[in-house]
Parts: sequence; C-alpha cells; structure tokens
Amino acid sequence: AQSVTQLGSHVSVSEGALVLLRCNYSSSVPPYLFWYVQYPNQGLQLLLKYTSAATLVKGINGFEAEFKKSETSFHLTKPSAHMRDAAEYFCAVSEYTGFQKLVFGTGTRLLVSP
Amino acid sequence: DAGVTQSPTHLIKTRGQQVTLRCSPKSGHDTVSWYQQALGQGPQFIFQYYEEEERQRGNFPDRFSGHQFPNYSSELNVNALLLGDSALYLCASSSAGQGSAGANVLTFGAGSRLTVL
Repeated sequence: AQSVTQLGSHVSVSEGALVLLRCNYSSSVPPYLFWYVQYPNQGLQLLLKYTSAATLVKGINGFEAEFKKSETSFHLTKPSAHMRDAAEYFCAVSEYTGFQKLVFGTGTRLLVSP
Repeated sequence: DAGVTQSPTHLIKTRGQQVTLRCSPKSGHDTVSWYQQALGQGPQFIFQYYEEEERQRGNFPDRFSGHQFPNYSSELNVNALLLGDSALYLCASSSAGQGSAGANVLTFGAGSRLTVL
C-alpha cells in the first residue's frame, strides 16, 4: 500500500525566508503525488500535483515541489515566505484502484513570524 | 461557481446518538468521497460514492454508512457515536471523466466538525 511521511509536525520561518516542507513516499508503482494546504476553519486546497510529466512541479502561490525517485521524496518549497502562508500543509499519494483515493501524511504546520 | 458545500458546519452530539452529514459536490462532479480528519492528523479515507453506489471503503466500521442521491449529493451517517468519532468530516468531489483517474484532483469542502460528548 502507498504511504507518505511528512517530517516535522511544525516548521517555523521568518517572513522572507525559504520554506522547505519535507515529504517522503512509499509506493510500489509510479506515484501520483499531491500537496494540499488547509487554512484555519477551511477545507483542503490543492497546491500542486505530480503526474510524471515533469519532475519539477509549479503550483499556486509561488510554491513548487521536486519529485526525486532516487530519494522517494516530494519536498515542497517556496523561496520567500509570506505571513499568509501560515497554514497546515498535507502531502498525499494517490492509491488508485479503479477509483481515486488519497492517502495523506500527518501534516506540517507552517508558522511564519514577522 | 459554487464549490463543495457541507452542512452542518459544527454539531455536538452525545455518545450513542446518530448523526447525518450532508454534502453537495462541485458543479460538474459526479463522485463523492468522505474523509475523517481527527485533531492533529491527516484526513483518513472513509468511502467513495459513484452512480449512487459505494465503490470503495476505507478501514471504518459498519457504523459509518452513506448514500448518494441522483443529483450526486451525498450523506454520511454515523450510528452509535463514540467519543473517538469526534473529528472534522471532509467531503471531496471529483469527476469520473477527468482522464487519468489516479491523477484526479479532489475538490474539498470546508468540513463538518463533529464533537461527541
């Protein structure tokens, strides 16, 4: 079965600093990978997805992620953090068996200080 | 264009009671999935409905049941509530005709927060 592991339940950065959120996956087949963001009292919003078209995936709000098969990683980055980036971030892998099902990591809370 | 709408947004129940949560999918979507997100955890897949049938189920007991209506909306029912059922319940919709289904993007609602006392 597919799974993802997110390293670090909390990440703190200063405004303007680099954001790096880590995600490692386990999959017996070429994976489809996703990053979602959850703002307080809101649902999950898709940031970006990897579907094997390109290893560097650009998403919304300046985020991007790089798929590295050799490291089984799909880390999320943003060059310069903004206060509005403070939220919970979830990495997910698709466990497709005829119908779409996502397996989520435990999430990383990003804290941005002025 | 309305996205996924869920109701109620918050509710409080006591142990042993039953609860029904409702979901209207995004316009154009025909598949509805339900996820449970416990505090401090990632969402866990409960089940998925397509063409008014349960197509796939996660590791949840039979106390959790659902239904999909002809207009694609869906209900999640939980019977004999336990304290451990306290969580945010998320509904997600997608389209079966989106292409490579493994890459299908799920659109999530804001969730229904259930507290069991």
